[in-house]
Amino acid sequence: ILNVEQSPQSLHVQEGDSTNFTCSFPSSNFYALHWYRWETAKSPEALFVMTLNGDEKKKGRISATLNTKEGYSYLYIKGSQPEDSATYLCAFIVSESGGGADGLTFGKGTHLIIQP
Amino acid sequence: DAMVIQNPRYQVTQFGKPVTLSCSQTLNHNVMYWYQQKSSQAPKLLFHYYDKDFNNEADTPDNFQSRRPNTSFCFLDIRSPGLGDAAMYLCATSREPWSGGWDTEAFFGQGTRLTVV
Repeated sequence: ILNVEQSPQSLHVQEGDSTNFTCSFPSSNFYALHWYRWETAKSPEALFVMTLNGDEKKKGRISATLNTKEGYSYLYIKGSQPEDSATYLCAFIVSESGGGADGLTFGKGTHLIIQP
Repeated sequence: DAMVIQNPRYQVTQFGKPVTLSCSQTLNHNVMYWYQQKSSQAPKLLFHYYDKDFNNEADTPDNFQSRRPNTSFCFLDIRSPGLGDAAMYLCATSREPWSGGWDTEAFFGQGTRLTVV
């Protein structure tokens, strides 16, 4: 059974502050890690697809890092805005003979609330 | 414009009464997935289609079935819903399977929240 852990479970942040949260995953048999943002009443939307150890990806004020050797990824949000309020899900893909498994193994998510 | 559409958004069904959830996509993606997310838990893969090939997860109950009549549509059938099947059901697509070595994201619908009474 694959275990993908996200912490914290929920987070309240003041508007303008920066924040970060963690995704831990099995360090063996790594294929890829995805980050998704899920706003209330909307579809989960991909933020990043990360495949290489040491990967750093950035989209506007949001960035992510990846350490496959120790099995963790950090998501950073700089200067939080109310529109950043959402659940952030990470999803792990295990490596299987030449590619990845057909399916995402999700964490429970970090529920982020930005307070004005 | 929505690319993965799930209907209905909310579904109330009676205990034991068959129910079907639907998903359509305009992306022409080869792979379609169904995930179940119960309250405070992580979304869990039930099954997926790669084109017409159906792939069931080992721990998906027999009560759950799926159909994919064409590229655009995929259905989730729950033959005899129990109270424990109340959950958010998410449909997703990807252009190609990760088993083929593709680095591609998944595209999700808004989900159908199923209530069993």
